[in-house]
Amino acid sequence: SAVISQKPSRDICQRGTSLTIQCQVDSQVTMMFWYRQQPGQSLTLIATANQGSEATYESGFVIDKFPISRPNLTFSTLTVSNMSPEDSSIYLCSVPSTGGEKLFFGSGTQLSVL
Amino acid sequence: EDKVVQSPLSLVVHEGDTVTLNCSYEVTNFRSLLWYKQEKKAPTFLFMLTSSGIEKKSGRLSSILDKKELFSILNITATQTGDSAVYLCAVGDTGFQKLVFGTGTRLLVSP
Repeated sequence: SAVISQKPSRDICQRGTSLTIQCQVDSQVTMMFWYRQQPGQSLTLIATANQGSEATYESGFVIDKFPISRPNLTFSTLTVSNMSPEDSSIYLCSVPSTGGEKLFFGSGTQLSVL
Repeated sequence: EDKVVQSPLSLVVHEGDTVTLNCSYEVTNFRSLLWYKQEKKAPTFLFMLTSSGIEKKSGRLSSILDKKELFSILNITATQTGDSAVYLCAVGDTGFQKLVFGTGTRLLVSP
């Protein structure tokens, strides 16, 4: 399985500010996924980050709020912009296994917005 | 819309008990069902099931899938305090690697 490093591990932010979360994988992967887990809720896919093209966003998520970068096959960032308390969540990056059947997850970022 | 429902939402047991966690799903083109354990933030992979009736086993954990009735169970025997976690069920659609997750079952094993 891939080793996925994610940082920061946690942060407390003021409303109206932005936070960029980084995800580094120890091997090259075509697709990387960003998930959000609000308190007591399921994991919800935010977007798919593809190298060399714009990210693909799921319904309810927009690029202005969650801009994503994917400069190479081992790295991606997710920015949470103009934060509000409703953005308080765990944010997770993930990559598929070689065969594509499973997802492996980074260590997660616990975000609290005051 | 693909949907995954887990039950119970939470469960408290004593060490040594056996527990069964349930997962039912609705998905347009089923590819696989996966179980994850989430102790803090990062879910860790437990099982992937693609065929009905074939039990997957790892130590005290086992899981089975029923594709006719659209559900899966995760069994944990002789529970230990280290089994305390949220257990997530997810289904994958054919053609891509995105997963749809249930809300999870929060298991607490008391000493």
